[in-house]
Amino acid sequence: GAVVSQHPSRVICKSGTSVKIECRSLDFQATTMFWYRQFPKQSLMLMATSNEGSKATYEQGVEKDKFLINHASLTLSTLTVTSAHPEDSSFYICSARVLAGAYNEQFFGPGTRLTVL
Amino acid sequence: GDSVTQMEGPVTLSEEAFLTINCTYTATGYPSLFWYVQYPGEGLQLLLKATKADDKGSNKGFEATYRKETTSFHLEKGSVQVSDSAVYFCALSSGNTPLVFGKGTRLSVIA
Repeated sequence: GAVVSQHPSRVICKSGTSVKIECRSLDFQATTMFWYRQFPKQSLMLMATSNEGSKATYEQGVEKDKFLINHASLTLSTLTVTSAHPEDSSFYICSARVLAGAYNEQFFGPGTRLTVL
Repeated sequence: GDSVTQMEGPVTLSEEAFLTINCTYTATGYPSLFWYVQYPGEGLQLLLKATKADDKGSNKGFEATYRKETTSFHLEKGSVQVSDSAVYFCALSSGNTPLVFGKGTRLSVIA
């Protein structure tokens, strides 16, 4: 199956710093990537939908100035958590979609655990 | 909007027991249905899927049948193993919309 990578897998930072998370589709081109956030023992909450070459669409309640998303190519999307605070600590998971005719499937990265001190 | 409801866990079973995790959905149109599995500290892996009514998805001994009449997609396995311990998510996607997930069900299998 298609492979999606995320980097870094874990990051610990001080409050007030910015953290960038990369999501790459390794063996396919993804016109759309999604960013999810998962709190401990909870489900995945969609944060934003990112289409290559255009601005991301954020879900209600997600601050676009806080969570900057860039989707510069068909294989790379980045999420930058700006001025991170402890409440931003979470597990962030990206997903890349293959959409070809009737075929529609999302592939998930392994996730990035962010801890803000 | 579209939504997924799955049974709350945690579910604790002995090895070789029968597993059922219930999942029902609400959607406009005819969604595709999925089960994903998340092992501790990892991302999500697709376990199985079904794209139309009466389809049965299967993988690694797990099965789920798309039941349009009951809007359900229950996950079953005849004999669970300790290695099946994980969190299982039911999800749906309608057309081009991103996946909508249930809350997840944590399964613990004890030897």
